[in-house]
Amino acid sequence: KNEVEQSPQNLTAQEGEFITINCSYSVGISALHWLQQHPGGGIVSLFMLSSGKKKHGRLIATINIQEKHSSLHITASHPRDSAVYICAVVDETSGSRLTFGEGTQLTVNP
Amino acid sequence: ETGVTQSPTHLIKTRGQQVTLRCSSQSGHNTVSWYQQALGQGPQFIFQYYREEENGRGNFPPRFSGLQFPNYSSELNVNALELDDSALYLCASSPDSVYGYTFGSGTRLTVV
Repeated sequence: KNEVEQSPQNLTAQEGEFITINCSYSVGISALHWLQQHPGGGIVSLFMLSSGKKKHGRLIATINIQEKHSSLHITASHPRDSAVYICAVVDETSGSRLTFGEGTQLTVNP
Repeated sequence: ETGVTQSPTHLIKTRGQQVTLRCSSQSGHNTVSWYQQALGQGPQFIFQYYREEENGRGNFPPRFSGLQFPNYSSELNVNALELDDSALYLCASSPDSVYGYTFGSGTRLTVV
């Protein structure tokens, strides 16, 4: 069992839909990251969370430390949101290394 | 200098050869980590350097080695390349606070 699991693996939505991507982890963490990866490989850091909720534009990230669960929400989705979204955690025992989920491929159709 | 720059962007090597991948981090980012991402999978931790010393390593054989330099650049060296080494190699740097990361765009290595 992976330390970080994401669901769904693949998600197809119509433009304008509300999207939720989930991340569960099994280790104690000091921080959780949501990352966006476009074709070609470049990774952009969207959020870093250690508690509560953060919002940036149409993106919202929440974390429940007790339940070891985080969600990434996209409101009013747009085709340019199409990308792979990756959840990564900083294991509290491993210093600053990141452990990644396998990613969620999001496709938003016009 | 801002951002993290990796070079080259693409590389093709033959099995058994050696390769050096480079990463130029932001000034002040003393921590650099390298990750291997196989197609369709999440990145896997290779190793991490802090102030020019390795301070963490994942499940990769010794033929994967690295260096970090005082000018915030770093290298990933892979000896005796195998076909399974074909992947996207990512570097990520952070300041001493360890919580914020900036990623490079990666080097796509193909071993034939």
